Parts: sequence; C-alpha cells; structure tokens
Amino acid sequence: GDSVTQMEGPVTLSEEAFLTINCTYTATGYPSLFWYVQYPGEGLQLLLKATKADDKGSNKGFEATYRKETTSFHLEKGSVQVSDSAVYFCALSGSYSGAGSYQLTFGKGTKLSVIP
Amino acid sequence: EPEVTQTPSHQVTQMGQEVILRCVPISNHLYFYWYRQILGQKVEFLVSFYNNEISEKSEIFDDQFSVERPDGSNFTLKIRSTKLEDSAMYFCARRQGSSGNTIYFGEGSWLTVV
Repeated sequence: GDSVTQMEGPVTLSEEAFLTINCTYTATGYPSLFWYVQYPGEGLQLLLKATKADDKGSNKGFEATYRKETTSFHLEKGSVQVSDSAVYFCALSGSYSGAGSYQLTFGKGTKLSVIP
Repeated sequence: EPEVTQTPSHQVTQMGQEVILRCVPISNHLYFYWYRQILGQKVEFLVSFYNNEISEKSEIFDDQFSVERPDGSNFTLKIRSTKLEDSAMYFCARRQGSSGNTIYFGEGSWLTVV
C-alpha cells in the first residue's frame, strides 16, 4: 500500500537558518503530494501541494518539488522564522481508483522549533 | 481559505459512553472525511463519505464507529462505546469534487476518554 516516510524530528534551528525536511513516498500510479502544517494548538493547514512530476509547490517561502525519479518531495525554506515553529506533515493522495476517494496517507510528522 | 467548522472543540467523556462529533462544511462540497491523530502519532484515515454513503473506510473504522449526514449539512462521527484508546484529535475534512483532490481540514475535536 501507499506509504510516506519523513525524516525523524525534532528539528531545532536558529532564526534565518536553511530548512530541509526530507520526505519520500511509495505509491502506485501517480499520486499527488502535499505538505500540511500544524501550529501549536491548531488543526491541519495545507501548506503546499504538487500534482505531477517536476511540479514545484510553494507557499509562505516554503518550496517542495515532486521528484518521481527519487520518489521524494522534500520541504525547503531558505530562512526560517520563529513563527514557522510547528509540526510538518508530508502526505500523498493516491490516484482515483473508482472505489477510492483520494484519501490521504500521512507521514509521522516532523516537529520544527525555531529559536531566536 | 475554505473552512470546515467542527464541534465540540474539546470533549471529555467516560469510558463506555457514546460520543458524537460534528462537522459543518461551509462550502457545498461533496466528499467528506474523518481522520484522527492520537497524541504524538501520525494522522490516520478513518472514513470517507460521498453522496450520503461511505465510500471507503480503514481498519480502524470498526463497528463502534458510524458516520452520517442526517440533514444534508452536518456531517457526524459517532463513537458508540468509547474506549481509552479512542482519545485523540478527530479531524473532519472535505474535498470539493472531481475537479480537485485537495483535502481541507477543520481545526479538530479533542476527545479525551477517562
């Protein structure tokens, strides 16, 4: 079945440091890939997405490129801020199968703490 | 960004009691989902709901769980006889339809079973 593997956390960075959170996936067909973010005490928010190979999703300074050859969707940001402290989840949505419903398969999440 | 409203935001219940979690999608979307997140663990798919029927469910979604959309608006998750291990954040989510596969989540309902 589909699966998502994220780098283990927690990750602690100083403000303005470069961020990379690795994400690799296993899926049949052509999944769509997502990053969701969960700020402390809040729900899941869509951060960015990519729906096909070589697509780059971007939002709020974060970027991730859909690499089919390496089955990866690593999240990057050039200069993190304290306000970026949150848990980041990589997820994939499988191809519609007729009986399927585009349900999401999540990674375990990576907690990011940014210190001033 | 489109929203989903969930109630209650937090509920404490005794083991064995029934719990109903509610979801009110603001937009008129077709696909609805329930996910859960046990504290410190990954977000897990429970069930998807389309056209007033369950379209897919996970192994977690056993006979103690049920979903319905009784008035065509609110989408509910019922847990018939809660167990301690049901303590989790439950997220309602929705998707617009065949034109897109992006799923948007509500802010979640914390369920604590004591």
